Amino acid sequence: SYKLTQPPSVSVSPGQTASITCSGDNLGETFVSWYQKKSGQSPVLVMYQDSKRPSGIPGRFSGSNSGNTATLTISGTQAFDEADYYCQTWATSTVVFGGGTKVTVL
Amino acid sequence: EVQLLESGGGLVQPGGSLRLSCVASGFPFSNYAMTWVRQAPGKGLEWVSAITGNGRITFYADSVKGRFTISRDNSKNTLFLQMNGLRVEDTAVYYCAKEAYSERPDYVDYWGQGALVTVSS
Repeated sequence: SYKLTQPPSVSVSPGQTASITCSGDNLGETFVSWYQKKSGQSPVLVMYQDSKRPSGIPGRFSGSNSGNTATLTISGTQAFDEADYYCQTWATSTVVFGGGTKVTVL
Repeated sequence: EVQLLESGGGLVQPGGSLRLSCVASGFPFSNYAMTWVRQAPGKGLEWVSAITGNGRITFYADSVKGRFTISRDNSKNTLFLQMNGLRVEDTAVYYCAKEAYSERPDYVDYWGQGALVTVSS
């Protein structure tokens, strides 16, 4: 079955840039979405179709996808951005989530 | 405003059954595929199942195939997940989610608040 691999954790200082990677075979040939999940809350879509931001998501969130790696970038990271982030794609007639990356703003 | 309201969660013994419901409002329900996603305690998001807008095509994760059945009643704007043969490892918060398109899962643009399912003896 298809697998998406994310680093378990990423640490970033306030105001700096956090990059979260998501790797999978030929991932660049399909669309990737990203979700933010805070403890006790429902997930929130922060990026879809690789690089499109939903309404209400700040411009400091951006995305890319090429080759075997998709990346979610948070520029000027704020304490409010501390959360788990999950990538997701559609492959072999199933939805696949990455294992999630915990972003800590130190 | 899109709203997704799950119900039917609870405590069940291993091998038992439970049926989750999700009442949708604020959008033309039959025009969109719907999805169930779960999160076990301390674990990541796991996709469970999806159904097309017209209800004719269903999709399942290998972990639930043959035990869970997804369905929808477009006349009542309601999504269901019938869970049979429940296992301890099915313990999770189950989220009802609206897909962006009708024909198949792509990305989720709205999520419910979640329903807790606990499988324990």
